[in-house]
Amino acid sequence: EAGVAQSPRYKIIEKRQSVAFWCNPISGHATLYWYQQILGQGPKLLIQFQNNGVVDDSQLPKDRFSAERLKGVDSTLKIQPAKLEDSAVYLCASSFPRGRDVAKNIQYFGAGTRLSVL
Amino acid sequence: AQSVTQPDIHITVSEGASLELRCNYSYGATPYLFWYVQSPGQGLQLLLKYFSGDTLVQGIKGFEAEFKRSQSSFNLRKPSVHWSDAAEYFCAVGGNAGKSTFGDGTTLTVKP
Repeated sequence: EAGVAQSPRYKIIEKRQSVAFWCNPISGHATLYWYQQILGQGPKLLIQFQNNGVVDDSQLPKDRFSAERLKGVDSTLKIQPAKLEDSAVYLCASSFPRGRDVAKNIQYFGAGTRLSVL
Repeated sequence: AQSVTQPDIHITVSEGASLELRCNYSYGATPYLFWYVQSPGQGLQLLLKYFSGDTLVQGIKGFEAEFKRSQSSFNLRKPSVHWSDAAEYFCAVGGNAGKSTFGDGTTLTVKP
């Protein structure tokens, strides 16, 4: 079974530029998550999709970050314009529903995209 | 609000020695608890989870964790550490609508 695929693996941009990250979840996984992991910290949830609908985007900086999940499969996370503090690893994860209690879902993570903003 | 504290930023152990990584959580109800491992340049991999029942849970790679409600803790243990266990370890609590909150991690270094 293929895992969660993310691209690119690395990206270097200058501040005020825009950038996009792509994620392909495990086949059949309805839930998709984007996390931001700043160096020395744990992953912080940015947005969670259930199929192509947003479940939680309370920590997404909506003035500069956007995400979409067309057709409930692949997802794209965009930053426009980027700031220095956006330098981080952006992790995508997916999970398969194990019943009504979503909190029990096991998340499978991709390798992440490391973003450096200069 | 749910939160996780991992008090040890960095731990060094000798190969073959035992290991315990600490995790304290804050959550208003019975928590769902997870431990993940992250090797350099890799995503997170689930080691083990606790939902209910037996408070001692077994995971992959010889790891185990014990849930102690009275101490709000979910410490990770391994009897004998291997050099390949060097990595970063994250404790997480699962809450409402499947939202997981992660600690800031503990980096494990293994001395030969």
